[in-house]
Amino acid sequence: EGQLVESGGGLVQPGGSLRLSCAASGFTFSDYHMDWVRLAPGKGLEWVGRIRNKARGYTTEYAASVKGRFIISGDNSKNAVHLQMNSLKTEDTAVYYCSRSPNGNILDSWGQGTLVTVTS
Amino acid sequence: DIQMTQSPSSLSASAGDRVTITCRASQGISSQLAWFQQKPGTAPKPLIYAASSLQSGVPSNFSGSGSGTDFTLTISSLQPEDSATYFCLQYLTYPFTFGEGTKVEIK
Repeated sequence: EGQLVESGGGLVQPGGSLRLSCAASGFTFSDYHMDWVRLAPGKGLEWVGRIRNKARGYTTEYAASVKGRFIISGDNSKNAVHLQMNSLKTEDTAVYYCSRSPNGNILDSWGQGTLVTVTS
Repeated sequence: DIQMTQSPSSLSASAGDRVTITCRASQGISSQLAWFQQKPGTAPKPLIYAASSLQSGVPSNFSGSGSGTDFTLTISSLQPEDSATYFCLQYLTYPFTFGEGTKVEIK
């Protein structure tokens, strides 16, 4: 009924960049808003940002903690959403999940997550 | 930003017990509230959306209620597999914000 698979996580130094990808299958990608959520060690869930669906013009929203550093984009030809992370900080260390939100619902399917570790 | 305050932060209950977790929003969010269950090393599992609508495949012993600022998640009969951390989420306004989580343990 829909599958999401994240990739691209890894080890990066503070100030560095990383690009996460989320491959979607089993549903009409352009119909859904796509969100990124992260879970830092010992902390709770944090919503990172969203790219709205085609009907809403693929516009984006971000958490204040990442605004200006992270960019969410979509690739309809590959049914994928990307999270470009720049100027990384140690506090960005987390497991990053992508999730989809249909109209009238929220975060109803999640990927398995990808670990990002920012350390010197 | 809308702050979400969950209580309790943790609880321990016996199998078969009725368990209630509350979430309070710092301002009214209508019914734009969801609940998630997360077990260590796994992705969050969606349970409830729109405050009281059950996500597909979620057992009926989970239920949600509330509107405005005060919400509850109820597990009517706690099962061993319900041991997890539960989070609420408001999605009325950006940025979406989660509660701090409630860790549920089975005695």
